[in-house]
Amino acid sequence: EAAVTQSPRSKVAVTGGKVTLSCHQTNNHDYMYWYRQDTGHGLRLIHYSYVADSTEKGDIPDGYKASRPSQENFSLILELASLSQTAVYFCASRLGIQDTQYFGPGTRLLVL
Amino acid sequence: SQWGEENLQALSIQEGEDVTMNCSYKTYTTVVQWYRQKSGKGPALIILIRSNEREKRSGRLRATLDTSSQSSSLSITGTLATDTAVYFCATPGTQVVGQLTFGSGTRLQVYA
Repeated sequence: EAAVTQSPRSKVAVTGGKVTLSCHQTNNHDYMYWYRQDTGHGLRLIHYSYVADSTEKGDIPDGYKASRPSQENFSLILELASLSQTAVYFCASRLGIQDTQYFGPGTRLLVL
Repeated sequence: SQWGEENLQALSIQEGEDVTMNCSYKTYTTVVQWYRQKSGKGPALIILIRSNEREKRSGRLRATLDTSSQSSSLSITGTLATDTAVYFCATPGTQVVGQLTFGSGTRLQVYA
């Protein structure tokens, strides 16, 4: 069973502050993804990476940066947090293009 | 049925009943994945169906795929209270390699 962990599990941030969400996977998966989920809606892709030291933009990258310092770790960075970024954030990983995505437990972010 | 930015649908049924959830997708695909998300957890793949299968069964789950109408369904027979969750369909994205595009989801509440 693939293991994807996220930290923190929840966070309260102030508007304009910097927030870093972390994701760690232990299965040597190539691909990693960051999604956000808003209450009552599906998941939307923010950033993704298919190799260490490289990140790509997803569907809604504005206001977010990503960092993949190693195969195991993938971070999502909100340089200037805004109220509209209140959501639940999920990290996922997969081995190859056609394989299943394995999701972490999510980080609940509240921006005040 | 679910897709895109429509609000989450909700269904409430009694344990033992059968239920079917529908999903209509916008772009042609040859594979549909169904994920289940329990409260406080990340989504987890429960069944994957390809266009050459038309129907796929896994335990009490049954998925269908109709590429001509660009729709898929997920049926659960003899529901249990533990089936309570949000169910998403997902298809490969067209813009990002390996991306999944998620529907808005169906919230299923099964009462004991």
